[in-house]
Amino acid sequence: DIQMTQSPSTLSASIGDRVTITCRASQSIRSWLAWYQQKPGKAPNLLIYEASTLESGVPSRFSGGGSGTEFTLTISSLQPDDFASYYCQQYDSYPLTFGGGTKVEIK
Amino acid sequence: EVQLVESGGGLVQPGGSLRLSCAASGFTLSYYSMSWVRQAPGKGLEWVSYISSSSTTIYYADSMKGRFTVSRDNAKNSVFLQMNSLRAEDTAVYYCARSNPGSYYASWGQGTLVTVSS
Repeated sequence: DIQMTQSPSTLSASIGDRVTITCRASQSIRSWLAWYQQKPGKAPNLLIYEASTLESGVPSRFSGGGSGTEFTLTISSLQPDDFASYYCQQYDSYPLTFGGGTKVEIK
Repeated sequence: EVQLVESGGGLVQPGGSLRLSCAASGFTLSYYSMSWVRQAPGKGLEWVSYISSSSTTIYYADSMKGRFTVSRDNAKNSVFLQMNSLRAEDTAVYYCARSNPGSYYASWGQGTLVTVSS
């Protein structure tokens, strides 16, 4: 099974900060990676797929990068609505696997 | 508008069974593969199962193999998850999700809570 390791697990940041979350795969997943945002009590919301393609309706301050085993999610200027948990997910092969999550908190 | 509505969650004793349903609307279910994803209280997301559009391909997470069975009825716009031999560690919110090509998820239900406890 492909293991997905996210870092950091918690991130404290201020409004306007540039924030980067890293996701590492235990083997190459090419570009088959998605990023989700989740707020408490809600279902996840797709942000990015195929490592760097922004889902329709997602603000352009979100961007994704990487390929192979190392990936990043960057928020260029953190907004109040962005305080949430973020998860990466590989869909290169089954079983599909998620990263452990990154909680973005207010500093 | 795509809508996925899960039902069937509740409190069940260890060793018991539960059948979850996912009612789909706003799109043609028979065109899409579907998946179940769960989230234990305060924990991260865990993929559970996948079923292709015509039910010809099915996958399960290792910890669910032999205990969970996914199925679908395209004519009734529904997807199901039969869960047997439930354990305390199966306690979670179970989400139904529509698979985009390649199996990432742009559409999710609101989730249904399954609690396994005596």
